[in-house]
Amino acid sequence: DGGITQSPKYLFRKEGQNVTLSCEQNLNHDAMYWYRQDPGQGLRLIYYSQIVNDFQKGDIAEGYSVSREKKESFPLTVTSAQKNPTAFYLCASSSDPGLSAFFGQGTRLTVV
Amino acid sequence: AQSVTQPDIHITVSEGASLELRCNYSYGATPYLFWYVQSPGQGLQLLLKYFSGDTLVQGIKGFEAEFKRSQSSFNLRKPSVHWSDAAEYFCAVAPVRNRDDKIIFGKGTRLHILP
Repeated sequence: DGGITQSPKYLFRKEGQNVTLSCEQNLNHDAMYWYRQDPGQGLRLIYYSQIVNDFQKGDIAEGYSVSREKKESFPLTVTSAQKNPTAFYLCASSSDPGLSAFFGQGTRLTVV
Repeated sequence: AQSVTQPDIHITVSEGASLELRCNYSYGATPYLFWYVQSPGQGLQLLLKYFSGDTLVQGIKGFEAEFKRSQSSFNLRKPSVHWSDAAEYFCAVAPVRNRDDKIIFGKGTRLHILP
């Protein structure tokens, strides 16, 4: 079945460590997105990519980095520069930025 | 500036009662419009979408939404809610033809169901 897979579902890291969240899709979608979700804040866009080897900053890109070396994959690295990294992270993809997005099941990152 | 407003943070309805969740948007032109639902700890699932044509759109799980251009609204409705409808609901807009613009989400409305 086609879909988006985020792994792991839960992730714990010590403060000061970088951590990479995985997002893989087999829907052949060009566009991929990373969102951060905090209680009461809705979805905030971190980075998005409309094509391989190209990506743009979203509204809250500071302290995060991404790569898009393959169409299927859009990993997100949470760096030690991110002041408050504990959150629920959602990856999404769409065949066109103007069309509906498919979401992964999310990764809950806890930094202790 | 482009924005999506969901004025109700929480809504509580009794099981079997009707439901309406409000969504207003501010956009340069009529965008694509979506409603998503999120169960706790899960990703978002598309309920329905409006691209053009009939302003009343039907979605999954018995939901429908009506696009009103004059009010810049896209309210979600269900005639009779079930306990399983308890979740968070997000309204979203996306650009038509402008690939440089992004999908914009509202802050969500959490729906509580009373037995």
